[in-house]
Amino acid sequence: KQEVTQIPAALSVPEGENLVLNCSFTDSAIYNLQWFRQDPGKGLTSLLLIQSSQREQTSGRLNASLDKSSGRSTLYIAASQPGDSATYLCAVTSDRGSTLGRLYFGRGTQLTVWP
Amino acid sequence: NAGVTQTPKFQVLKTGQSMTLQCAQDMNHNSMYWYRQDPGMGLRLIYYSASEGTTDKGEVPNGYNVSRLNKREFSLRLESAAPSQTSVYFCASTGGGTEQYFGPGTRLTVT
Repeated sequence: KQEVTQIPAALSVPEGENLVLNCSFTDSAIYNLQWFRQDPGKGLTSLLLIQSSQREQTSGRLNASLDKSSGRSTLYIAASQPGDSATYLCAVTSDRGSTLGRLYFGRGTQLTVWP
Repeated sequence: NAGVTQTPKFQVLKTGQSMTLQCAQDMNHNSMYWYRQDPGMGLRLIYYSASEGTTDKGEVPNGYNVSRLNKREFSLRLESAAPSQTSVYFCASTGGGTEQYFGPGTRLTVT
């Protein structure tokens, strides 16, 4: 069964720091990997989607990389701001027959950026 | 273009009552999903529908039923609510290998 782990569980940094969030998964049979942001009491907002054939995706100050063979992804946030404070979730889409198309989530990294 | 909508936003039920959570998407997506989110447990898949007319169990289907009414709508029913079903419920949809879009959630409390 696919298991997704995110490290660290929580992170508190001063404004302006560059930071890295880590995600690992146990089954490399994935179709894509997605990073989400969740604000308290809200739904999930998709930040970046990396297809299994890609190595990275960028959007503004965010850069996500994928190493499918080693089962790892990182989300890099440049020049962090207080508005980046949220929980960041990593999810992989299964490419395995019996669970094709299902998403498996990590438990998230709770990020606090203080001024 | 509203994306994924869910009703109601909040609900309080007594043990044994029933209710249906509604979800609709206007993106012409084939696949729709129901998740629950609990503190310390992350998001867990309850049921999903890969296409209109099909539904399949996820990780935690016990106590729930679903209906894919048409391509747009996917409902989740609790026949006899239990306190263990207190959670936040999210509906999501996707269109073939693309990103999943989530609704705003339904916060359900069962007393």
